[in-house]
Amino acid sequence: DVKVTQSSRYLVKRTGEKVFLECVQDMDHENMFWYRQDPGLGLRLIYFSYDVKMKEKGDIPEGYSVSREKKERFSLILESASTNQTSMYLCASSPLAQPQHFGDGTRLSIL
Amino acid sequence: AQSVSQHNHHVILSEAASLELGCNYSYGGTVNLFWYVQYPGQHLQLLLKYFSGDPLVKGIKGFEAEFIKSKFSFNLRKPSVQWSDTAEYFCAVKEITGGFKTIFGAGTRLFVKA
Repeated sequence: DVKVTQSSRYLVKRTGEKVFLECVQDMDHENMFWYRQDPGLGLRLIYFSYDVKMKEKGDIPEGYSVSREKKERFSLILESASTNQTSMYLCASSPLAQPQHFGDGTRLSIL
Repeated sequence: AQSVSQHNHHVILSEAASLELGCNYSYGGTVNLFWYVQYPGQHLQLLLKYFSGDPLVKGIKGFEAEFIKSKFSFNLRKPSVQWSDTAEYFCAVKEITGGFKTIFGAGTRLFVKA
Protein backbone atom coordinates (compact mmCIF):
# COMPACT_ATOMS: atom_id res chain seq x y z
CA ASP A 1 0.00 0.00 0.00
CA VAL A 2 1.22 3.49 -0.83
CA LYS A 3 2.47 5.46 2.10
CA VAL A 4 2.80 9.23 2.04
CA THR A 5 4.26 10.47 5.29
CA GLN A 6 4.19 14.06 6.45
CA SER A 7 6.66 14.91 9.17
CA SER A 8 4.24 16.57 11.60
CA ARG A 9 0.48 16.33 12.25
CA TYR A 10 0.41 19.60 14.19
CA LEU A 11 2.83 22.52 14.12
CA VAL A 12 2.77 25.91 15.81
CA LYS A 13 5.13 28.66 14.64
CA ARG A 14 5.51 32.41 15.02
CA THR A 15 5.15 35.08 12.35
CA GLY A 16 8.37 35.70 10.49
CA GLU A 17 9.79 32.25 11.13
CA LYS A 18 11.01 30.06 8.29
CA VAL A 19 8.96 26.88 8.34
CA PHE A 20 9.77 23.54 6.74
CA LEU A 21 7.13 20.90 6.02
CA GLU A 22 8.48 17.54 4.90
CA CYS A 23 6.82 14.83 2.87
CA VAL A 24 8.13 11.39 1.97
CA GLN A 25 6.56 8.76 -0.28
CA ASP A 26 7.64 5.15 -0.54
CA MET A 27 6.34 4.15 -3.98
CA ASP A 28 8.83 5.76 -6.35
CA HIS A 29 6.15 8.10 -7.73
CA GLU A 30 7.26 10.69 -10.25
CA ASN A 31 4.79 13.38 -9.22
CA MET A 32 4.47 15.07 -5.86
CA PHE A 33 2.17 17.89 -4.80
CA TRP A 34 1.60 20.35 -1.98
CA TYR A 35 -1.90 21.66 -1.31
CA ARG A 36 -3.48 23.76 1.36
CA GLN A 37 -6.98 22.89 2.51
CA ASP A 38 -9.24 25.59 3.89
CA PRO A 39 -12.96 25.28 4.77
CA GLY A 40 -15.18 26.13 1.82
CA LEU A 41 -12.23 26.43 -0.55
CA GLY A 42 -11.35 22.79 -1.09
CA LEU A 43 -7.77 21.94 -1.97
CA ARG A 44 -5.65 24.59 -3.62
CA LEU A 45 -2.40 23.63 -5.28
CA ILE A 46 0.67 25.44 -4.02
CA TYR A 47 3.47 23.70 -5.95
CA PHE A 48 4.07 20.41 -7.65
CA SER A 49 7.06 18.48 -8.89
CA TYR A 50 7.23 15.96 -11.71
CA ASP A 51 10.83 14.90 -11.22
CA VAL A 52 13.83 15.43 -9.00
CA LYS A 53 14.86 19.09 -8.91
CA MET A 54 11.88 20.01 -11.09
CA LYS A 55 9.09 22.17 -9.72
CA GLU A 56 6.13 24.09 -11.03
CA LYS A 57 4.00 26.77 -9.42
CA GLY A 58 0.43 25.90 -8.65
CA ASP A 59 -2.42 28.32 -8.07
CA ILE A 60 -1.20 29.96 -4.85
CA PRO A 61 2.62 29.85 -4.72
CA GLU A 62 3.16 33.27 -3.14
CA GLY A 63 5.01 33.07 0.15
CA TYR A 64 6.05 29.46 -0.43
CA SER A 65 8.93 27.60 -2.03
CA VAL A 66 9.68 23.90 -2.48
CA SER A 67 12.61 21.58 -2.73
CA ARG A 68 12.91 18.15 -4.30
CA GLU A 69 16.47 16.88 -4.02
CA LYS A 70 15.48 13.20 -3.92
CA LYS A 71 12.62 11.45 -5.68
CA GLU A 72 10.93 10.34 -2.48
CA ARG A 73 11.05 13.66 -0.63
CA PHE A 74 9.24 16.92 -1.34
CA SER A 75 9.63 19.81 1.07
CA LEU A 76 7.45 22.89 1.41
CA ILE A 77 9.06 26.02 2.80
CA LEU A 78 7.32 29.06 4.20
CA GLU A 79 9.99 31.71 3.77
CA SER A 80 8.59 34.09 6.39
CA ALA A 81 5.46 32.70 8.00
CA SER A 82 2.40 34.91 8.26
CA THR A 83 -0.91 34.40 10.05
CA ASN A 84 -2.78 33.97 6.76
CA GLN A 85 -0.73 30.83 6.17
CA THR A 86 -2.45 29.12 9.07
CA SER A 87 -4.05 26.13 7.36
CA MET A 88 -4.05 22.39 6.79
CA TYR A 89 -1.27 21.38 4.39
CA LEU A 90 -1.60 18.20 2.37
CA CYS A 91 1.10 16.39 0.47
CA ALA A 92 0.27 13.95 -2.31
CA SER A 93 2.12 11.75 -4.76
CA SER A 94 1.14 9.87 -7.90
CA PRO A 95 2.56 7.89 -10.77
CA LEU A 96 2.19 9.46 -14.19
CA ALA A 97 -1.47 10.03 -15.15
CA GLN A 98 -2.82 8.20 -12.09
CA PRO A 99 -4.82 9.29 -9.02
CA GLN A 100 -3.01 10.95 -6.17
CA HIS A 101 -2.26 9.41 -2.80
CA PHE A 102 -2.44 11.78 0.14
CA GLY A 103 -0.64 12.10 3.43
CA ASP A 104 -2.43 12.69 6.74
CA GLY A 105 -1.86 16.43 6.57
CA THR A 106 -0.08 18.97 8.76
CA ARG A 107 -2.23 21.42 10.65
CA LEU A 108 -0.06 24.53 10.84
CA SER A 109 -0.85 27.45 13.12
CA ILE A 110 1.04 30.72 12.78
CA LEU A 111 0.80 32.93 15.85
CA ALA B 1 -9.87 29.18 -15.98
CA GLN B 2 -11.01 25.70 -15.14
CA SER B 3 -13.30 25.27 -12.19
CA VAL B 4 -15.07 22.47 -10.36
CA SER B 5 -18.36 23.20 -8.63
CA GLN B 6 -19.88 21.07 -5.93
CA HIS B 7 -23.49 22.01 -5.45
CA ASN B 8 -23.84 21.50 -1.73
CA HIS B 9 -21.37 22.40 0.98
CA HIS B 10 -23.26 20.57 3.71
CA VAL B 11 -25.65 17.63 3.49
CA ILE B 12 -27.44 15.96 6.39
CA LEU B 13 -29.16 12.62 5.86
CA SER B 14 -30.63 9.86 7.96
CA GLU B 15 -29.29 6.34 7.67
CA ALA B 16 -30.73 4.39 4.73
CA ALA B 17 -31.50 7.58 2.79
CA SER B 18 -30.24 7.85 -0.76
CA LEU B 19 -27.37 10.19 -1.56
CA GLU B 20 -26.54 12.24 -4.61
CA LEU B 21 -23.75 14.81 -4.56
CA GLY B 22 -23.47 17.07 -7.56
CA CYS B 23 -20.27 17.98 -9.37
CA ASN B 24 -19.88 20.11 -12.49
CA TYR B 25 -16.73 21.24 -14.20
CA SER B 26 -15.98 23.92 -16.72
CA TYR B 27 -13.41 22.38 -19.06
CA GLY B 28 -14.63 21.28 -22.50
CA GLY B 29 -11.87 18.88 -23.46
CA THR B 30 -11.10 15.33 -22.46
CA VAL B 31 -10.87 14.86 -18.70
CA ASN B 32 -10.16 12.34 -16.00
CA LEU B 33 -12.62 12.57 -13.12
CA PHE B 34 -12.28 11.59 -9.48
CA TRP B 35 -14.15 11.52 -6.23
CA TYR B 36 -12.08 11.55 -3.05
CA VAL B 37 -13.33 11.08 0.49
CA GLN B 38 -11.88 12.31 3.76
CA TYR B 39 -13.20 10.61 6.88
CA PRO B 40 -12.81 12.50 10.15
CA GLY B 41 -9.18 12.52 11.23
CA GLN B 42 -8.04 10.56 8.20
CA HIS B 43 -6.25 11.36 4.97
CA LEU B 44 -7.99 11.86 1.64
CA GLN B 45 -8.50 8.63 -0.23
CA LEU B 46 -9.74 7.79 -3.67
CA LEU B 47 -13.39 6.74 -3.81
CA LEU B 48 -13.64 6.19 -7.56
CA LYS B 49 -12.29 7.42 -10.88
CA TYR B 50 -13.34 7.76 -14.48
CA PHE B 51 -10.79 7.67 -17.29
CA SER B 52 -12.75 6.31 -20.25
CA GLY B 53 -15.33 3.68 -21.22
CA ASP B 54 -18.55 3.02 -19.31
CA PRO B 55 -19.71 6.38 -17.92
CA LEU B 56 -21.19 4.67 -14.87
CA VAL B 57 -18.32 4.01 -12.50
CA LYS B 58 -18.46 1.92 -9.37
CA GLY B 59 -16.18 2.63 -6.44
CA ILE B 60 -15.56 1.39 -2.95
CA LYS B 61 -18.19 1.08 -0.21
CA GLY B 62 -21.15 0.97 -2.59
CA PHE B 63 -20.57 4.37 -4.17
CA GLU B 64 -21.00 5.03 -7.87
CA ALA B 65 -20.75 8.03 -10.13
CA GLU B 66 -22.08 8.84 -13.56
CA PHE B 67 -20.20 10.90 -16.12
CA ILE B 68 -22.56 12.88 -18.34
CA LYS B 69 -20.36 14.58 -20.90
CA SER B 70 -23.09 16.80 -22.32
CA LYS B 71 -23.77 18.23 -18.86
CA PHE B 72 -20.11 18.39 -17.76
CA SER B 73 -21.20 16.51 -14.68
CA PHE B 74 -19.89 13.68 -12.53
CA ASN B 75 -22.39 13.15 -9.74
CA LEU B 76 -21.74 10.78 -6.86
CA ARG B 77 -24.49 8.44 -5.67
CA LYS B 78 -25.16 5.85 -3.04
CA PRO B 79 -28.57 4.13 -2.69
CA SER B 80 -28.49 3.80 1.09
CA VAL B 81 -26.06 5.71 3.30
CA GLN B 82 -24.67 4.54 6.60
CA TRP B 83 -23.51 6.46 9.64
CA SER B 84 -19.94 5.52 8.67
CA ASP B 85 -20.29 7.52 5.43
CA THR B 86 -20.04 10.72 7.45
CA ALA B 87 -17.11 12.47 5.77
CA GLU B 88 -16.12 15.23 3.40
CA TYR B 89 -16.32 14.42 -0.30
CA PHE B 90 -14.26 16.12 -2.99
CA CYS B 91 -14.81 16.03 -6.72
CA ALA B 92 -11.66 16.51 -8.83
CA VAL B 93 -10.96 16.98 -12.53
CA LYS B 94 -7.77 16.60 -14.51
CA GLU B 95 -7.44 17.69 -18.12
CA ILE B 96 -5.84 15.02 -20.26
CA THR B 97 -3.70 17.62 -21.99
CA GLY B 98 -3.40 19.88 -19.00
CA GLY B 99 -0.15 18.59 -17.60
CA PHE B 100 -0.08 17.56 -14.00
CA LYS B 101 -2.71 19.75 -12.39
CA THR B 102 -5.85 18.33 -10.85
CA ILE B 103 -8.54 20.83 -9.88
CA PHE B 104 -10.53 20.07 -6.73
CA GLY B 105 -13.99 21.24 -5.80
CA ALA B 106 -14.67 22.99 -2.51
CA GLY B 107 -15.94 19.78 -0.92
CA THR B 108 -19.25 18.60 0.48
CA ARG B 109 -19.52 17.72 4.15
CA LEU B 110 -21.92 14.83 4.63
CA PHE B 111 -23.35 14.08 8.04
CA VAL B 112 -25.38 10.89 8.43
CA LYS B 113 -27.64 10.66 11.45
CA ALA B 114 -27.81 7.25 13.10
